[in-house]
Amino acid sequence: AQSVAQPEDQVNVAEGNPLTVKCTYSVSGNPYLFWYVQYPNRGLQFLLKYITGDNLVKGSYGFEAEFNKSQTSFHLKKPSALVSDSALYFCAVRGGGGFKTIFGAGTRLFVKA
Amino acid sequence: DAGVIQSPRHEVTEMGQEVTLRCKPISGHNSLFWYRQTMMRGLELLIYFNNNVPIDDSGMPEDRFSAKMPNASFSTLKIQPSEPRDSAVYFCASSFTGDPTDTQYFGPGTRLTVL
Repeated sequence: AQSVAQPEDQVNVAEGNPLTVKCTYSVSGNPYLFWYVQYPNRGLQFLLKYITGDNLVKGSYGFEAEFNKSQTSFHLKKPSALVSDSALYFCAVRGGGGFKTIFGAGTRLFVKA
Repeated sequence: DAGVIQSPRHEVTEMGQEVTLRCKPISGHNSLFWYRQTMMRGLELLIYFNNNVPIDDSGMPEDRFSAKMPNASFSTLKIQPSEPRDSAVYFCASSFTGDPTDTQYFGPGTRLTVL
């Protein structure tokens, strides 16, 4: 069965510092991995995805994520956090050639000025 | 591009009433998904349409829930009769194709409160 784990309910970081939001997954077959961000009272916004190729994926708003097959991880990173990055972040996975997306529980990011 | 459009944005109703949520996918997209988000269960896929045909409705909680997609630019999710436990945020998403590599784009959601 497919699953996604976001081990941290909340991440706190100071503005200007690097941030990491963790995600691990379990799927059969090749994984397709996604990160979304949700601001209050808004829908999910797509940040980036890994399908194949380079393990380091660059996305919107300066975010990037590193696919690590041996550790089955897809952590979201940003070199320098902004207060405006404060939001709820979701990792998602599809596997086995299927259409069904499994979302993690979400990690709330707080960036303090 | 207007993005995925959902209406209404907020709905408050009383238990037993019929509720209809509406979605207009991004033009040119042929796959549409309905999700439900709650604190307890997170984000759950309810039903998936491809080319207006329901492909998988295994996530629909029970017979009180039904979804239709009469054409490529419109879908509805109906709850009849509604119950307080149906209170949640309902999202519609669309993608260009049903391919697993495709990105799903989400609407702003409908916040449903059933009293």
